[in-house]
Amino acid sequence: GQNIDQPTEMTATEGAIVQINCTYQTSGFNGLFWYQQHAGEAPTFLSYNVLDGLEEKGRFSSFLSRSKGYSYLLLKELQMKDSASYLCAVRDSNYQLIWGAGTKLIIKP
Amino acid sequence: NAGVTQTPKFRVLKTGQSMTLLCAQDMNHEYMYWYRQDPGMGLRLIHYSVGEGTTAKGEVPDGYNVSRLKKQNFLLGLESAAPSQTSVYFCASSVGEGPETQYFGPGTRLLVL
Repeated sequence: GQNIDQPTEMTATEGAIVQINCTYQTSGFNGLFWYQQHAGEAPTFLSYNVLDGLEEKGRFSSFLSRSKGYSYLLLKELQMKDSASYLCAVRDSNYQLIWGAGTKLIIKP
Repeated sequence: NAGVTQTPKFRVLKTGQSMTLLCAQDMNHEYMYWYRQDPGMGLRLIHYSVGEGTTAKGEVPDGYNVSRLKKQNFLLGLESAAPSQTSVYFCASSVGEGPETQYFGPGTRLLVL
């Protein structure tokens, strides 16, 4: 079966750095996405990786290792507004997105 | 440019009732999707469409039907609602299947009693 694993919840301090991991087992791989979802709102796109390595976009970076079936999202200089759930999704061989359950990130002052 | 909109935002149904959820997008996207989101679970694809007049089943299609008569609209129907269909429903659209992201609507909260 297809599976995406992420930690359920993480806590970090304002101004710090946090790394959210995602491991996946899917039938095929056609890219990995990270989305942010604030409580009660729609998911919004953060990053996309299809090749191994690091993609940097401002305070957010995403890393992919296809051989290990592993990705992480790195958030720097954390702000209170970063409190949200972070969803990892993998596009499989049928070009369907398989979603993880999300990691709820709690930022403390 | 409203992006993706969903109607209604919230609905309470009794078991056995029917309803239709409407999704509209103004970005001229070919692909549209219906997901449901339940606590502790990832988004699950119900049905999707790769263009006007086409629909296909996703991961959890049972109990739902869809139609895409116009490119900008994607309707999700529940013919006989069940408590197991209590969920938050999200519609999304995308240009295609490549690296393009999916854009999500604000969601519809459905409670089936």
